[in-house]
Amino acid sequence: DAKTTQPTSMDCAEGRAANLPCNHSTISGNEYVYWYRQIHSQGPQYIIHGLKNNETNEMASLIITEDRKSSTLILPHATLRDTAVYYCIVRVLGYGNKLVFGAGTILRVKS
Amino acid sequence: SAVISQKPSRDICQRGTSLTIQCQVDSQVTMMFWYRQQPGQSLTLIATANQGSEATYESGFVIDKFPISRPNLTFSTLTVSNMSPEDSSIYLCSVLGGGTSGGLSSYEQYFGPGTRLTVT
Repeated sequence: DAKTTQPTSMDCAEGRAANLPCNHSTISGNEYVYWYRQIHSQGPQYIIHGLKNNETNEMASLIITEDRKSSTLILPHATLRDTAVYYCIVRVLGYGNKLVFGAGTILRVKS
Repeated sequence: SAVISQKPSRDICQRGTSLTIQCQVDSQVTMMFWYRQQPGQSLTLIATANQGSEATYESGFVIDKFPISRPNLTFSTLTVSNMSPEDSSIYLCSVLGGGTSGGLSSYEQYFGPGTRLTVT
């Protein structure tokens, strides 16, 4: 699996957009970008994934650069409940392709 | 999404003993995984639990220490054997759906709540 690089931690004001960057410069053509988050003492939760187009769902937006070497997860209106560790993972989509977690980014949303 | 339950939710065990953790899913799933999360660390994959055959272990993990069973498509167990304080971690079960069967997407991996193990 290609490796990802994320900042160790970030702070965001409540109500503002949280933009979490991820570098994946060695990503292969068939690897997707996934984002998960882990709120304290809970199992990781799926947020969003994409291949090369920007994606949006009810939780977040995912912006992938044209060369696919980096991406940004956007939480449009961060709340205190969004405080968590956010993991950017690249993997091949499909049967049996497991998730390999890096260190992630600790996002602290402050009032 | 899948509902995954784990038992026990937490336990405190003596050094040298073994603990078996159960993982139950409310839908049939193709793949089941076991992860470990040591204090303050990220998740590390221990093994893939294969239905009807031996588990596939990641580098650094062996069957004698972490025997795994998967008797059917909704259930798996992980045993932590001959425990030492270094085994104190959260152990998480995770599943991957197969296509859209049972409403589980093959692109989403779901996680259980975890079992918090403390070895004294």
